[in-house]
Amino acid sequence: NAGVTQTPKFRILKIGQSMTLQCTQDMNHNYMYWYRQDPGMGLKLIYYSVGAGITDKGEVPNGYNVSRSTTEDFPLRLELAAPSQTSVYFCASREGSGGSWTQYFGPGTRLTVL
Amino acid sequence: DAKTTQPTSMDCAEGRAANLPCNHSTISGNEYVYWYRQIHSQGPQYIIHGLKNNETNEMASLIITEDRKSSTLILPHATLRDTAVYYCIVRGSNTGNQFYFGTGTSLTVIP
Repeated sequence: NAGVTQTPKFRILKIGQSMTLQCTQDMNHNYMYWYRQDPGMGLKLIYYSVGAGITDKGEVPNGYNVSRSTTEDFPLRLELAAPSQTSVYFCASREGSGGSWTQYFGPGTRLTVL
Repeated sequence: DAKTTQPTSMDCAEGRAANLPCNHSTISGNEYVYWYRQIHSQGPQYIIHGLKNNETNEMASLIITEDRKSSTLILPHATLRDTAVYYCIVRGSNTGNQFYFGTGTSLTVIP
């Protein structure tokens, strides 16, 4: 059981380039999340999904897109990279229902936009 | 979701209990208290959660005051590997799907 995996671990982009951050979970969780974490700050929610085919915006969605075609995968797309998107990106999936909000996080992708 | 207030940083001697406080004075009846931690450069890790009663698991204990306006996370015998940022989060079971992390408490365990 690998949990939540993310690729790549590190990436450097030039301004205006695009890329997709991959996230996969093998726990059959319906809920998946993308967060970003800037240096010295807490996590901010970018997008989330409550199941295959259903996504919604979080706090900071501008400049990003997501899709959820399967339960396992939740890729995050950056279309026109900007220096402000330099950050560490974490994917998470959630188990449980009702009051249980235990989230399992991936190891993160460290992105630098120059 | 109720706002939480945590100290910015704390130190604890290795082997001693680490007590991390969290104020959530606007918490409502159906909101749970969650604790996560983030060891440097890693993804956050779930520790424990509770509603009213005190909770204990293999990692920590959670003490919630009777009025539920504050809570304390207790690491009974802190080790160097417990050095991390600890986040206290309060959310309801039916208040949407977002989960707000603040800036947390940076705990340093000192040898």
